[in-house]
Amino acid sequence: GESVGLHLPTLSVQEGDNSIINCAYSNSASDYFIWYKQESGKGPQFIIDIRSNMDKRQGQRVTVLLNKTVKHLSLQIAATQPGDSAVYFCAESAFYSGAGSYQLTFGKGTKLSVIP
Amino acid sequence: SAVISQKPSRDICQRGTSLTIQCQVDSQVTMMFWYRQQPGQSLTLIATANQGSEATYESGFVIDKFPISRPNLTFSTLTVSNMSPEDSSIYLCSVRDSFSEQFFGPGTRLTVL
Repeated sequence: GESVGLHLPTLSVQEGDNSIINCAYSNSASDYFIWYKQESGKGPQFIIDIRSNMDKRQGQRVTVLLNKTVKHLSLQIAATQPGDSAVYFCAESAFYSGAGSYQLTFGKGTKLSVIP
Repeated sequence: SAVISQKPSRDICQRGTSLTIQCQVDSQVTMMFWYRQQPGQSLTLIATANQGSEATYESGFVIDKFPISRPNLTFSTLTVSNMSPEDSSIYLCSVRDSFSEQFFGPGTRLTVL
């Protein structure tokens, strides 16, 4: 599926505060979810993933929460730093029989700005 | 994780011309994909590059406009044909390893005048 958005939602946080970025996904058959970070002029960078049999997964300073009931995904960043400033995309993975493979569908993205 | 490189990193082209973008991976991967990211927007899958056979295109994308090659498990090319200003975008190569993690290249920033 194609995600279209003319304006990215923006989240501004103070350095040191926690950030929460939210994402609503659409396909109830999706069984794998990924958060990507994209800095200006670069490709998306894998941050953390979670499978549909889990509701929480923690990494270094990041936590992903999955609520399958309402098809909602969130990314929490602890002690946000200036280097966290970027656009964050969620992606859901589902099997598409037409293509015969798993495919990622991306959310619209959220721009995180960290205020020093 | 796989290391992906793309050439060129950016280009400015005249309308009506074609550009071929190369994607090289440092290890053999099962799946390779090409995405487009228009300015300020999210990523859209163009096609899945299949090794030894024709690519699988998503709705809205056709082989005549975006021919793709994948001669082996580490290399693929995407050509943007007969370009118009609407083709100005970032084009991203992506690969997926056997553990389902999917990685992206640095992208090719294309501007069509």
